[in-house]
Amino acid sequence: GQNIDQPTEMTATEGAIVQINCTYQTSGFNGLFWYQQHAGEAPTFLSYNVLDGLEEKGRFSSFLSRSKGYSYLLLKELQMKDSASYLCAALDSNYQLIWGAGTKLIIKP
Amino acid sequence: DGGITQSPKYLFRKEGQNVTLSCEQNLNHDAMYWYRQDPGQGLRLIYYSQIVNDFQKGDIAEGYSVSREKKESFPLTVTSAQKNPTAFYLCASSMGTPDKADEQYFGPGTRLTVT
Repeated sequence: GQNIDQPTEMTATEGAIVQINCTYQTSGFNGLFWYQQHAGEAPTFLSYNVLDGLEEKGRFSSFLSRSKGYSYLLLKELQMKDSASYLCAALDSNYQLIWGAGTKLIIKP
Repeated sequence: DGGITQSPKYLFRKEGQNVTLSCEQNLNHDAMYWYRQDPGQGLRLIYYSQIVNDFQKGDIAEGYSVSREKKESFPLTVTSAQKNPTAFYLCASSMGTPDKADEQYFGPGTRLTVT
């Protein structure tokens, strides 16, 4: 079956760096998305990776290894507003999105 | 200002009643989606539509119905046949380019409570 795994919850300190991991098993693969979702709000797009490697976008970077079925989202210089859930989603061979349950990130001062 | 609107934000219904959630977009997107989000679970696809007057069932379509009479609108009806309808419902849209990884844009969601 198709499956996405990511940690349920993580805690980090303001100003620090945190890495949120995601592993996926899908029927075919056409890329991986990361979304941010604040409590009670809509998910918003953060990144898309389809090739191996690291893509940097300001304080956020996303990494993909297709051979390992693995991705991570790296958040630097953490701010209190980064407290949110981070959703990993993989595109299968039919271009259908398979969603993980999300990682709730708690930032402490 | 382009975007997706969902209304209402909170909805309360008695068991046994059908209820329709609205979703409108002015992004000129071809594809639209309905998801259900429950605590501790990923987004689950209810229905999706890639073009006007056409839609397909997602993973959990039982107890739900949709229509796509206009490009801008994709209402979802939660029927009394849905066994556990209390949830957060999210509508999304994308350009819908065939065989392409399009980013999905989400509405603010409707939290439905059925008692």
